[in-house]
Amino acid sequence: ILNVEQSPQSLHVQEGDSTNFTCSFPSSNFYALHWYRWETAKSPEALFVMTLNGDEKKKGRISATLNTKEGYSYLYIKGSQPEDSATYLCAPLNTDKLIFGTGTRLQVFP
Amino acid sequence: GAVVSQHPSWVICKSGTSVKIECRSLDFQATTMFWYRQFPKQSLMLMATSNEGSKATYEQGVEKDKFLINHASLTLSTLTVTSAHPEDSSFYICSAQGGSVYGYTFGSGTRLTVV
Repeated sequence: ILNVEQSPQSLHVQEGDSTNFTCSFPSSNFYALHWYRWETAKSPEALFVMTLNGDEKKKGRISATLNTKEGYSYLYIKGSQPEDSATYLCAPLNTDKLIFGTGTRLQVFP
Repeated sequence: GAVVSQHPSWVICKSGTSVKIECRSLDFQATTMFWYRQFPKQSLMLMATSNEGSKATYEQGVEKDKFLINHASLTLSTLTVTSAHPEDSSFYICSAQGGSVYGYTFGSGTRLTVV
């Protein structure tokens, strides 16, 4: 069973602050890593799918890096805005199944 | 973009009754649907994988007779919690394979409370 850990569990930041979270996963049998953004009462929204060691992806103010050899991924948000408030989930892909971490709950205060 | 419509978003039922949760893919065909459950402060845990026209595959520890999954068409998968008990109270969410370049499209989840 894959053990996926995300830290911190929760984060409160001021508008304009930059922030980052960590996702740790077993590096063996790695296929891909998914990042999702999940707002309350909505569907999880895919942010990135990363496959290659050293991969770096960017979407607006959000970016992510991947290290498959040591089994971790970082998600960065530059200049956080209140609308970034959500839970951010990472999920490594094990064959065709996504294995989720518990998420990092981000709250951005104006 | 692609949408998976999940209903109901919340339901309260009496102990011993059954509850059906539907996930419908809009604008795309979902050959495979995944069903997850989330208890408070825990991660989304995969319960079962359903493929259209065949029996679902359940994860270890998930009772197939209690959580009936039907995937009779390419756009509809249902999860029925039979003879529900308070310990079945949880958040249930489906995910369809496809509909997105990212590979998976999620429903918005169902909060089940069994009283």
